[in-house]
Formats: sequence, C-alpha cells, structure tokens
Amino acid sequence: QSALTQPASVSGSPGQSITISCTGTSSDVGSYNLVSWYQQHPGKAPKLMIYEGSKRPSGVSNRFSGSKSGNTASLTISGLQAEDEADYYCCSYAGSSTVYVFGTGTKVTVL
Amino acid sequence: EVQLLESGGDLVQPGGSLRLSCAASGFTFSSYAMSWVRQGPGEGLEWVSAISATGSSTYYADSVKGRFTISRDNSKNTMYLQMSTLRAEDTAIYFCAKIPSWRNPPDYWGQGTLVTVSS
Repeated sequence: QSALTQPASVSGSPGQSITISCTGTSSDVGSYNLVSWYQQHPGKAPKLMIYEGSKRPSGVSNRFSGSKSGNTASLTISGLQAEDEADYYCCSYAGSSTVYVFGTGTKVTVL
Repeated sequence: EVQLLESGGDLVQPGGSLRLSCAASGFTFSSYAMSWVRQGPGEGLEWVSAISATGSSTYYADSVKGRFTISRDNSKNTMYLQMSTLRAEDTAIYFCAKIPSWRNPPDYWGQGTLVTVSS
C-alpha cells in the first residue's frame, strides 16, 4: 500500500487561504469517507484537525475545513495565521488488511 | 482528559528486540481499539499496527509483519508493542494512538518514544 500523495510544501501570507490536497486510490480515499487530517509542530505529537473528511473536533478553529472529491481529499486553511505553520498529514482507512495509510506530508509556511 | 504515555524506547543493535508500552488514562481503555504509528527521522508518519478493544484482532503493516507483535492488558490500561529482529529502518519515534471508532483514523496521540537501531 503506497502512501497518499500530498504536495511537499504550500505557503501563503497571513490572512490568505491555502488548500492541501491528498490523493489516494479507489481502495482508500475513494472508497471511504474516513479521512482525517493532522497538524504536527516540530517535536510534537500530531493533533487531529479534521475527521470523517469534513468534521472538526471540539476546540479546532473553524478556519480549518475538509472536503473530498473522488480519490482526493483536501484541507483548506482560511485566514492563515503564523501559528498554522506546521506539517500537515492526511490519513485514510484502507480496508481490513492495510487498515490505515498516511499521506506524505505537507509543510505549510506562513510568509 | 485523554493521556497516552509511551515508554521503552532505547538504543538497540540490529537483530535485537525491544518492548514498548503505552499507558492510557482519561477514557475507558477497554472500549477502544488502539494503534502504533511511527515517524522516522525527518520523515512522515507510517502506520505500524492496530489492536481491537478486546485484543482479539490484530493488524500489521507489511513492513513489520512477522517481526512485531501488538498486545494489550485492559486490566492495566496498557498497550504493548513487542519488536524483534530490529533493522536500521525501524529507527523512529513510535507514537501510541487511540482509535475513536473502528475504521476511523486515530484521534488522540501520545508524545512518542524513540527507538534507535544501530550498532
């Protein structure tokens, strides 16, 4: 099972919106509405930002939103802030054999 | 508050063995599946293994199948990862993570424990 494909880096100025894509296959992203997104600051544990494709856990800013189309999931960060600078990973359920597959990760830079 | 605390990480020689532990608190441990995820130095996240709430079902990534064994003791609110025949490419931070409902990716994560495989 190959990792889901994400852009290596995305950047934006404060206040702008950015979108990170996460491309899988019909065996993972395309088959299940079970994509989560994580934010990871250096030296820290991943933090859940989006689950089931578009749902936000309690306490996560509504500037973060998720969507899916076909085999590609997306995370949009609106009103970009300095604290959003981090690595972001998607993760999808991939069936009873592989179970979970992570994305390659995207480094978000706030200019 | 959900808390997950990993321990057991160490420097080990290639071919050696190591057992990691994950102590859980703040939720009903016996009601949730759990997982191990690792992150190599400067690399991305890689799912390693998962175990059902009762421990009756276990799952492994192909990269560790046959070498790693996941288990849990619900009476101690603790999950384990027994690692054997370790390779240099197993060097990573190993995170313990809670699965909110089966098939959903993890929600809460521990801070991780470092495993270094080197001679």
